[in-house]
Amino acid sequence: SQQGEEDPQALSIQEGENATMNCSYKTSINNLQWYRQNSGRGLVHLILIRSNEREKHSGRLRVTLDTSKKSSSLLITASRAADTASYFCATSDRFKTIFGAGTRLFVKA
Amino acid sequence: KAGVTQTPRYLIKTRGQQVTLSCSPISGHRSVSWYQQTPGQGLQFLFEYFSETQRNKGNFPGRFSGRQFSNSRSEMNVSTLELGDSALYLCASIKENTDTQYFGPGTRLTVL
Repeated sequence: SQQGEEDPQALSIQEGENATMNCSYKTSINNLQWYRQNSGRGLVHLILIRSNEREKHSGRLRVTLDTSKKSSSLLITASRAADTASYFCATSDRFKTIFGAGTRLFVKA
Repeated sequence: KAGVTQTPRYLIKTRGQQVTLSCSPISGHRSVSWYQQTPGQGLQFLFEYFSETQRNKGNFPGRFSGRQFSNSRSEMNVSTLELGDSALYLCASIKENTDTQYFGPGTRLTVL
């Protein structure tokens, strides 16, 4: 079964609004990553947060990690139509990375 | 630096045939992972190779196999294709000492 589970499964917002996606996982991790996928193409790495970090920023992205709750959130601020994509969280132990089912984000212009 | 390349990009096969997909990682990356992506099952880990050795394997039948060459290029093979093998097969190369994966564009396999 997938380690990471994202919610919501789908999200539709207006351009300029913020989008928040959540991810829960089940076991201990070394780090948690977020990826974006456009229209069934390859995934693009967005941000990695280590298990000893609580928050990380990259441009319009903000990721939080709560290891006690085994959960993470990805916030995209001031969304753009180009942010329309599927977003996946992925957790890594020593050798293996497991992806969640993803959140489909649709940003309306 | 060139990104991860996968060939072919599209492939149509019939049930019972076998197929070989190729992946060239980013120069200097020695680790390659393979994933199968389908609408129903999402992204599922197939295997990971590092320096020509399979380091980890997902929960797929033995019809799915792979290998890695000394130049880090990797191939995966699926024998006796089934309709359910239709999927996007993604390869990722991993920068050493990080978990960051750089994905190729994928090979879309259709089994008829």
